[in-house]
Amino acid sequence: DADVTQTPRNRITKTGKRIMLECSQTKGHDRMYWYRQDPGLGLRLIYYSFDVKDINKGEISDGYSVSRQAQAKFSLSLESAIPNQTALYFCATSDGTPSSTDTQYFGPGTRLTVL
Amino acid sequence: GDSVTQMEGPVTLSEEAFLTINCTYTATGYPSLFWYVQYPGEGLQLLLKATKADDKGSNKGFEATYRKETTSFHLEKGSVQVSDSAVYFCALRMGNQFYFGTGTSLTVIP
Repeated sequence: DADVTQTPRNRITKTGKRIMLECSQTKGHDRMYWYRQDPGLGLRLIYYSFDVKDINKGEISDGYSVSRQAQAKFSLSLESAIPNQTALYFCATSDGTPSSTDTQYFGPGTRLTVL
Repeated sequence: GDSVTQMEGPVTLSEEAFLTINCTYTATGYPSLFWYVQYPGEGLQLLLKATKADDKGSNKGFEATYRKETTSFHLEKGSVQVSDSAVYFCALRMGNQFYFGTGTSLTVIP
């Protein structure tokens, strides 16, 4: 079974709809991240969380919100989707150990299309 | 601020050719450096990493050396295979933040 799972894998929605993307992990990591990937722009950080009570904005948080329901779950919401939020969304985790290189582990991605 | 710049693609090579994908970074301190690979339809996977100057990361025949003097972390492989076709991302970690390059698409033809 995959260590980091994302649901749904694909979603098509309309402008103005509320959308939630979910991420679950079995790695036991405290740190979780949401990124979006756009052609030519690479990955950009939306939000990150270092534990259940910690939420931090990333580079491009406008139009998004998150919820860390448990150590293993981190959800991303688009309150009112717009077409320029069409992208591939990745969840990632890391263990945050200072002595390690704090490698990130990625889920398979959610392809979101906003019409 | 901290950032990563990598060569733009796409890159197309014949099987057994030599591969270099350039990556340079800008950082205010001493970052850890990474190469991630993304196969079609999948998420990113760590390919290799280096945590300090002159470290060499290696995996699956790929290598990259952390060069502080040139702020570079170029990815190399001596003989690519069709199965190496993927998108390659250079990344750095500084403090609690990760920064990714824009990705370089590699296609290897038989």
